[in-house]
Amino acid sequence: DAGITQSPRHKVTETGTPVTLRCHQTENHRYMYWYRQDPGHGLRLIHYSYGVKDTDKGEVSDGYSVSRSKTEDFLLTLESATSSQTSVYFCAIRPRDSTGELFFGEGSRLTVL
Amino acid sequence: AQSVTQPDIHITVSEGASLELRCNYSYGATPYLFWYVQSPGQGLQLLLKYFSGDTLVQGIKGFEAEFKRSQSSFNLRKPSVHWSDAAEYFCAVGAGNTNAGKSTFGDGTTLTVKP
Repeated sequence: DAGITQSPRHKVTETGTPVTLRCHQTENHRYMYWYRQDPGHGLRLIHYSYGVKDTDKGEVSDGYSVSRSKTEDFLLTLESATSSQTSVYFCAIRPRDSTGELFFGEGSRLTVL
Repeated sequence: AQSVTQPDIHITVSEGASLELRCNYSYGATPYLFWYVQSPGQGLQLLLKYFSGDTLVQGIKGFEAEFKRSQSSFNLRKPSVHWSDAAEYFCAVGAGNTNAGKSTFGDGTTLTVKP
């Protein structure tokens, strides 16, 4: 158990509304990641963080922003949700002593109507 | 740029039969390779990894994978499949602890196990 909690686990919202997903970890890992999972596309990296207030874009960052004001929390925000952002979102951490393997949360299923 | 191809979207095998899931990667340096498994409604769990040494690596749940540099492949195998192995399997390539440890995932292979 990597101590990763995602909230909310399920959310239905309407187009144009802001949405924030939270990833909380309990083990002080430096690296945290947000991926989205869509059928036929595997997992695609949205944003990642390498420390408090240190974040960078992944391959599908348009329409998303992130923040990390504390080591344990990594927030993903959709400023104005669109139907194309309906997806399952996964948070992951990479332990300091790993060789790149990731540990994932259980996911947040977002539906944008 | 790094990329991963999993040629089989869906595979069906009978319980007790052997399994091989294919993975081909593209990476400019020595790759760090991973296989993950995802059960329905769950996050991904690491099955095994390769980054150096013996090209045949053992993982959890009786899985193994073989790294073949000449073929840019990292295929996952299991000698005898159990019904509980039904899940989606993802191959990934990364840069270890460089490049922010970012991994690129394949599109996944869904495994169905027939009784």
